[in-house]
Amino acid sequence: ETGVTQTPRHLVMGMTNKKSLKCEQHLGHNAMYWYKQSAKKPLELMFVYSLEERVENNSVPSRFSPECPNSSHLFLHLHTLQPEDSALYLCASSQLTTGNSPLHFGNGTRLTVT
Amino acid sequence: GENVEQHPSTLSVQEGDSAVIKCTYSDSASNYFPWYKQELGKGPQLIIDIRSNVGEKKDQRIAVTLNKTAKHFSLHITETQPEDSAVYFCAAIGSGTASKLTFGTGTRLQVTL
Repeated sequence: ETGVTQTPRHLVMGMTNKKSLKCEQHLGHNAMYWYKQSAKKPLELMFVYSLEERVENNSVPSRFSPECPNSSHLFLHLHTLQPEDSALYLCASSQLTTGNSPLHFGNGTRLTVT
Repeated sequence: GENVEQHPSTLSVQEGDSAVIKCTYSDSASNYFPWYKQELGKGPQLIIDIRSNVGEKKDQRIAVTLNKTAKHFSLHITETQPEDSAVYFCAAIGSGTASKLTFGTGTRLQVTL
C-alpha cells in the first residue's frame, strides 16, 4: 500500500451530476495535493493544501472545488463537468520541511464524464 | 517557470539489457530531481531521487546522474526485468515547496523476453 488511499477507484458521471473524490493519507504528512493526469500530457498540479490551508490553485475551473477538513483528508467536489475533464485524478501528500521532500501518490480515481 | 523535457517517449529493451531515460530542465535554481515509476492501474511511486549537490546516486539496479552545467539528468536501469515495464516520469523542483514540482511527459518502458 502507498499510504495514500483514494476512493472511488473508478467514477462515471454525467455532465449534470455532482460527485466527490476522497483522499486519505496515513503518513503523518502536512501537505496534500490534487493532480490531473491526462494521456500524453505531463501531470498537472491542481491544488495544494499546506497545514489545511489552500496555498495553490493553478487556474482550475470552478467546477472543481477542493476541501481539506484536516491534515489527513482531502476531497475534490465535482459538478457540471465537461467530457474533457475525463482523466485520472491523483492525490498526493508530502512532509513540507526546509528542504524538498518527495510526493507520495495514491492510485488515483479514473473519472469518465459522459 | 520550470520546463522539463523527457526522452524518449517509448523505449523497448530486451530482458537483461540496460535502459536509459533522459530529462532536461530549464530552471538553473532547480535542486531536487525525483524519478517516479507508474505501473498500470497505480499511481506514480518514487523510485530514486537526487539533489543538486550530488552528481550520481545508485540503488541496486537503478542509478541517476545529474549534470548541473548542462541541466540534464538521466535514469539508468541495468539488467532489466519484465517487472521494470512501466511508465517512468522525471521531475524537477526549485528551492521552495514541493508544490513547484514539474513533471516530464513520461517514458513508457517495455522489457521484452
